Amino acid sequence: QKEVEQDPGPLSVPEGAIVSLNCTYSNSAFQYFMWYRQYSRKGPELLMYTYSSGNKEDGRFTAQVDKSSKYISLFIRDSQPSDSATYLCAMTLGNTPLVFGKGTRLSVIA
Amino acid sequence: DAGVIQSPRHEVTEMGQEVTLRCKPISGHDYLFWYRQTMMRGLELLIYFNNNVPIDDSGMPEDRFSAKMPNASFSTLKIQPSEPRDSAVYFCASMRQLAPQPQHFGDGTRLSIL
Repeated sequence: QKEVEQDPGPLSVPEGAIVSLNCTYSNSAFQYFMWYRQYSRKGPELLMYTYSSGNKEDGRFTAQVDKSSKYISLFIRDSQPSDSATYLCAMTLGNTPLVFGKGTRLSVIA
Repeated sequence: DAGVIQSPRHEVTEMGQEVTLRCKPISGHDYLFWYRQTMMRGLELLIYFNNNVPIDDSGMPEDRFSAKMPNASFSTLKIQPSEPRDSAVYFCASMRQLAPQPQHFGDGTRLSIL
C-alpha cells in the first residue's frame, strides 16, 4: 500500500460547481497536510496547508483533515475555468520531506 | 525574488548519452530537492540536500543517476548512460526549512530519451 493514495481522475465539472478532491494515507504520524496546484507544463505551487486535524478556509478553497480516518479533502466552491489544473496532496511528519499523492487532474468547463 | 530556475527546459537525446540537468535554487533556501514526475508513478523524490550536503538519496533509481550541489546556488542531476525509461519531467525544488514552509518548484526539465 502506498503511503498516500489519490484518485488521478480526470475530473470534469461545469463552471460554478463545487469540487471535492480527496486523499487517503497510511502513516498516522503525519502532522502537516498540504495541497499543491500544478498547471500544465509548470511546477507545483503550494495552495494551502493544514496542521493536524480540522478545517482551513481561504477564499473559495477549504481544506479538511480527518486524522481518525486518515483522510484529507480539498473543496473548491464556485469553480472557475482557471481552476483547471492537477491538484496534488502532500503530507509530512514535519522534519521529513513531503510525500505526494499522484495528483487529480481537474477540468472546469465554461 | 527570482524563483527556482531549471535548465534546460527540454532535452531530447539518444539512449546511452550523458544528460545533465541544472538547478538554481532560491537564495537563502537551505533545502534542495530533485523529483521525477511520470503519469504512472506521479512525483517521486530522488534526492534532497540540506546546506549543500546530500541527506537522503534512497530515491535515486540506479547508479546511473548522480546529483551534486557544489555550492548554495547550484545543483546538477546527471544520468549516465541514459535509457528510454528515464524519460520524464524532472523538477527541482527548494525551501527555507522543512514543513510548514512551502516548497518552491522550478518549471521542470522535460527529458526524452530516444
